[in-house]
Amino acid sequence: RKEVEQDPGPFNVPEGATVAFNCTYSNSASQSFFWYRQDCRKEPKLLMSVYSSGNEDGRFTAQLNRASQYISLLIRDSKLSDSATYLCVVARGGGNKLTFGTGTQLKVEL
Amino acid sequence: EAQVTQNPRYLITVTGKKLTVTCSQNMNHEYMSWYRQDPGLGLRQIYYSMNVEVTDKGDVPEGYKVSRKEKRNFPLILESPSPNQTSLYFCASRMDRGEYSPLHFGNGTRLTVT
Repeated sequence: RKEVEQDPGPFNVPEGATVAFNCTYSNSASQSFFWYRQDCRKEPKLLMSVYSSGNEDGRFTAQLNRASQYISLLIRDSKLSDSATYLCVVARGGGNKLTFGTGTQLKVEL
Repeated sequence: EAQVTQNPRYLITVTGKKLTVTCSQNMNHEYMSWYRQDPGLGLRQIYYSMNVEVTDKGDVPEGYKVSRKEKRNFPLILESPSPNQTSLYFCASRMDRGEYSPLHFGNGTRLTVT
């Protein structure tokens, strides 16, 4: 079993739709959690950290469920520019050892 | 401009010919790390460094070496490259060791070993 698992997609959604991604992790010692965004053939960039109480940044909401060992990302009112691959990242070892999921591809269409 | 710079962007080499991929950051970050990205496997951590002269293995260190003699530089060395090291490599850095500090990635190095 992979340490971090994501549905690879692609998720094809119309502009304005709400879309949700889930990510599960297997190591209960995991300490911190993130969503990164990666555009085709480019470097990953931090989208948002995921805190225990859940957090929101504009159209993006992230939640963490430690008991069930999953994190989620909700994108509201999706834009064409949201088309990308979303990487779930889990850190342990004081945040020094990071494990990336294989990513979920999102395509937002007109 | 704050950035992580990797060189070269593209590299084609032959099996067994030693190579070095350089990584430099100008943000005075303590933490630096290397990843490789392969289809279906995602990014996997090769090595990381928490400060000068301190390096640790990630999940896939076999066949790679690193050094951290200066804070800004963290080169990745392949002493004897093999075709299974063909991949897209990313260097990243982060301010201190705060677990929620964001990683800043370089533009990537696409390595092909024939």
